Amino acid sequence: SQQGEEDPQALSIQEGENATMNCSYKTSINNLQWYRQNSGRGLVHLILIRSNEREKHSGRLRVTLDTSKKSSSLLITASRAADTASYFCATETGTASKLTFGTGTRLQVTL
Amino acid sequence: DTEVTQTPKHLVMGMTNKKSLKCEQHMGHRAMYWYKQKAKKPPELMFVYSYEKLSINESVPSRFSPECPNSSLLNLHLHALQPEDSALYLCASSLRLAISNEQFFGPGTRLTVL
Repeated sequence: SQQGEEDPQALSIQEGENATMNCSYKTSINNLQWYRQNSGRGLVHLILIRSNEREKHSGRLRVTLDTSKKSSSLLITASRAADTASYFCATETGTASKLTFGTGTRLQVTL
Repeated sequence: DTEVTQTPKHLVMGMTNKKSLKCEQHMGHRAMYWYKQKAKKPPELMFVYSYEKLSINESVPSRFSPECPNSSLLNLHLHALQPEDSALYLCASSLRLAISNEQFFGPGTRLTVL
């Protein structure tokens, strides 16, 4: 079953601009994670935010979590062409490290 | 060694064939996962192993048979697959089956069933 919906489905920006992706989910979570996937390859873990945290930073990434609205956002600042990829939020629920992925946002960063 | 490897990278098989996908990690992780990902869709969890024992089976058809022969290896045996099983199969591992562990993914095996 699909837990997260992401928007936009696709985003095209120029290098140097900021990119914001949003994720909404349906049930209570332990944490929310963001992953990046380059064109049909494996996923790379970007950042994890726990349910009792509201904001987290890692390099050019900023993640927010609003558990009352069941939503999260990922901000990539000063984007680069190398940031071109699909970005997935994933919610962890229950006690068994079970991740349910959102629908994903395809980001295209042009020179 | 901080990576998960998967072989083969590509696999084409007929509906009557038997084949296996292999996944390996040497990070000392004791939880390993199989996901299936269709084109332009998110990964969907299939199986989870914890300390070499099957912990979660997400109601996957029996034509997919997982095996974890040791703490570093995870196999997915395929038999009598259907064309709709064509997808990218991703393996992942994490330190253990517990809350707030990031998962490390392999590059995947692109499977085509004819």
